[in-house]
Amino acid sequence: GENVEQHPSTLSVQEGDSAVIKCTYSDSASNYFPWYKQELGKRPQLIIDIRSNVGEKKDQRIAVTLNKTAKHFSLHITETQPEDSAVYFCAASKGGSYIPTFGRGTSLIVHP
Amino acid sequence: GAVVSQHPSRVICKSGTSVKIECRSLDFQATTMFWYRQFPKQSLMLMATSNEGSKATYEQGVEKDKFLINHASLTLSTLTVTSAHPEDSSFYICSAGTSGGLSDTQYFGPGTRLTVL
Repeated sequence: GENVEQHPSTLSVQEGDSAVIKCTYSDSASNYFPWYKQELGKRPQLIIDIRSNVGEKKDQRIAVTLNKTAKHFSLHITETQPEDSAVYFCAASKGGSYIPTFGRGTSLIVHP
Repeated sequence: GAVVSQHPSRVICKSGTSVKIECRSLDFQATTMFWYRQFPKQSLMLMATSNEGSKATYEQGVEKDKFLINHASLTLSTLTVTSAHPEDSSFYICSAGTSGGLSDTQYFGPGTRLTVL
């Protein structure tokens, strides 16, 4: 089955800096890659996603890049703010059979 | 947007009792619902996948007689933790999705914090 590795497990940055979280996947048939943000005690919220026919997608301060050949995808957050502090999960799934495999999560801490 | 509700949000029960958690898709029909368990500071652990009108598919290591899942309609799935014990204390989250194609997104419920005394 699919295996998703996520790094780093913890990321601490100063407000205004950029943050990058990286994930790799094992199944070349995976074609949908969502990113979720989970604040303490709350539900995971989809923040951005990318499909395998696209190499990059951006939404304001958040961007995701995908390298299908290398089977890795990354989340980029620019101009970080304290409210960006949360646990971020990447996931990979195949279209049609959309049970995603989640990474272990990255705890992002943005210091004011 | 798609909204998934979950009830109750928090439950405290005595050891040996059964607890039912409901997951509802409020504004869309969910052909598939997922149940996850999450321990503190850990990732989401998929417990089972349920499709409306059929038996749930459990992940390896999850006791189907312990965690009963029913998906009676396209908007409701229930998870019953039977004869709960302290080790069942956890954060349980459901999610719902629509059938394939471009609708691959899962929408999560707010979670249920179960504490078994």
